[in-house]
Amino acid sequence: ETGVTQSPTHLIKTRGQQVTLRCSSQSGHNTVSWYQQALGQGPQFIFQYYREEENGRGNFPPRFSGLQFPNYSSELNVNALELDDSALYLCALRGDLGVLQETQYFGPGTRLLVL
Amino acid sequence: AQSVTQLGSHVSVSEGALVLLRCNYSSSVPPYLFWYVQYPNQGLQLLLKYTSAATLVKGINGFEAEFKKSETSFHLTKPSAHMSDAAEYFCAVRETGANNLFFGTGTRLTVIP
Repeated sequence: ETGVTQSPTHLIKTRGQQVTLRCSSQSGHNTVSWYQQALGQGPQFIFQYYREEENGRGNFPPRFSGLQFPNYSSELNVNALELDDSALYLCALRGDLGVLQETQYFGPGTRLLVL
Repeated sequence: AQSVTQLGSHVSVSEGALVLLRCNYSSSVPPYLFWYVQYPNQGLQLLLKYTSAATLVKGINGFEAEFKKSETSFHLTKPSAHMSDAAEYFCAVRETGANNLFFGTGTRLTVIP
């Protein structure tokens, strides 16, 4: 158990809609990353937040945005949904101390289906 | 630039046989290397990691991996496969100073009774 939770577990939306996915943990982590895993593929990095500011982004358009809150929970927002946005969305928290900083711990994911 | 290649999208082994899952990486700086396992409809679980300490890394569930700089490889092995090992396995790399993990496309392991 990583202690990382994500909600909802499953979600169905239609093209053009907006969606918000959430991530939290039992203990505070300064760094949270979001990944998109399309069917049959490895996870791809969307962006990372550190102390409530975005400090790294992968090859994703601006309609993918995020927030990190003072309690270290995080949101991923996707606007103007497209069919290709259908995927498993994973958040990952990095340990804060020593060697734990080198490891990312993943939540169970939110499976999004866009129709 | 960093990249990860996992040879073999699907590997089948008999129960009790050796498991070998291959991973090669490219990186311009010394990387951190990871193996994650994903069971159906679940997230990713860390199996083991290499962070520039010992080149032979032992992980959970009897898995281990060896970092070979000369071959730019980080292959995952387990001496004896168990039915519960059936899952998708991902190799990932993170360059020193980088923010994110870069994943391979995964290898699906099937264990035959």
